[in-house]
Amino acid sequence: RKEVEQDPGPFNVPEGATVAFNCTYSNSASQSFFWYRQDCRKEPKLLMSVYSSGNEDGRFTAQLNRASQYISLLIRDSKLSDSATYLCVVNTGNQFYFGTGTSLTVIP
Amino acid sequence: DTGVSQDPRHKITKRGQNVTFRCDPISEHNRLYWYRQTLGQGPEFLTYFQNEAQLEKSRLLSDRFSAERPKGSFSTLEIQRTEQGDSAMYLCASRTTVTSVVVGANVLTFGAGSRLTVL
Repeated sequence: RKEVEQDPGPFNVPEGATVAFNCTYSNSASQSFFWYRQDCRKEPKLLMSVYSSGNEDGRFTAQLNRASQYISLLIRDSKLSDSATYLCVVNTGNQFYFGTGTSLTVIP
Repeated sequence: DTGVSQDPRHKITKRGQNVTFRCDPISEHNRLYWYRQTLGQGPEFLTYFQNEAQLEKSRLLSDRFSAERPKGSFSTLEIQRTEQGDSAMYLCASRTTVTSVVVGANVLTFGAGSRLTVL
């Protein structure tokens, strides 16, 4: 079983839409969780850390459910510039495990 | 520039040749990771260092791959006798484990990557 599983999409949404990405992880001992954004042929960049109580950064909201081993990212009021691949990342021990990424295209 | 630097950014080589990539991490970061990424996949762990010590290697890392971080600063990743299946983006990332010093210490910061094409 993979450490991190994500729906690869693609998600094609109109500007202004709300879109949600989900991710599950297999190791209940995992201690830290992140969402990274990766633009085409570029390196992954941290979008936000995910905290147990849930956290928000502008139009982005991340949630963590430890009991279900589930992480989510909600993007409200999608912008064209949000088009990218979103990677779910789980830190277990000294390792960081990446999902395959979910592709988002925001359409004018 | 205080980010993670990788060199070269692009490398085209013929099968059977050796290639070497270099990574200069953020100077305060004691941990350095190498990942490989192919199209449509997330980054796949290869190896990591704490200072100069290589602490873990992926089972995916064949004996043609070797990595060093001799002085605990920059690192090199060498691939010997390259094969077409080695074509990928090789990403370096660093972080610090010293949580009292740097905000967001547990976060990986990536370099721009070295894209390898083996013909």
